[in-house]
Amino acid sequence: GAGVSQSPRYKVTKRGQDVTLRCDPISSHATLYWYQQALGQGPEFLTYFNYEAQPDKSGLPSDRFSAERPEGSISTLTIQRTEQRDSAMYRCASSLGVNEKLFFGSGTQLSVL
Amino acid sequence: AQTVTQSQPEMSVQEAETVTLSCTYDTSESNYYLFWYKQPPSRQMILVIRQEAYKQQNATENRFSVNFQKAAKSFSLKISDSQLGDTAMYFCAFMTHYNTDKLIFGTGTRLQVFP
Repeated sequence: GAGVSQSPRYKVTKRGQDVTLRCDPISSHATLYWYQQALGQGPEFLTYFNYEAQPDKSGLPSDRFSAERPEGSISTLTIQRTEQRDSAMYRCASSLGVNEKLFFGSGTQLSVL
Repeated sequence: AQTVTQSQPEMSVQEAETVTLSCTYDTSESNYYLFWYKQPPSRQMILVIRQEAYKQQNATENRFSVNFQKAAKSFSLKISDSQLGDTAMYFCAFMTHYNTDKLIFGTGTRLQVFP
């Protein structure tokens, strides 16, 4: 596609529910990143993929967070048993490879009530 | 661990004037990259400018330029001839040359351009 697409744009959920966020990167891009941006803060790294491999998931805050990219294109970020502190903007970015320019999506704003 | 500090939560400037946003960082690496990203109200995250630490020449992109002081670990962004469309959050970010899987961002500076 023309840019990085994320869905949904907004997600409101109740505490304890599971949510899945989707990222559709630019089609030629090998590398895909997930970032979490809390209100008033800069984005913080969660994890990244090189095609379907996930070399670094050190930024995932707990085992409730997981990400997949099974075919090396679309990726999902799943948060199980959501908590209020999970409320944030979740941003996806893609690039041709590591050390290449990152293109960010518009993000998914998650609110956990 | 690398850190990025933006000490100005908010800045304002009049249209057509020049404004400088500050950024300092901490690292023990010698090779790395520095970035300025713009986040307008549309929520996009747009790369404004990029600097490679081994290049002494300051990067420039049209009205945007940086003052990179490697010894001082300082990386400020100068916006010349400010325009209303420059109103946004600006984030400074750092990436090591050897661990290029993540950007480390500062907390941002909110810039308001007034007519």
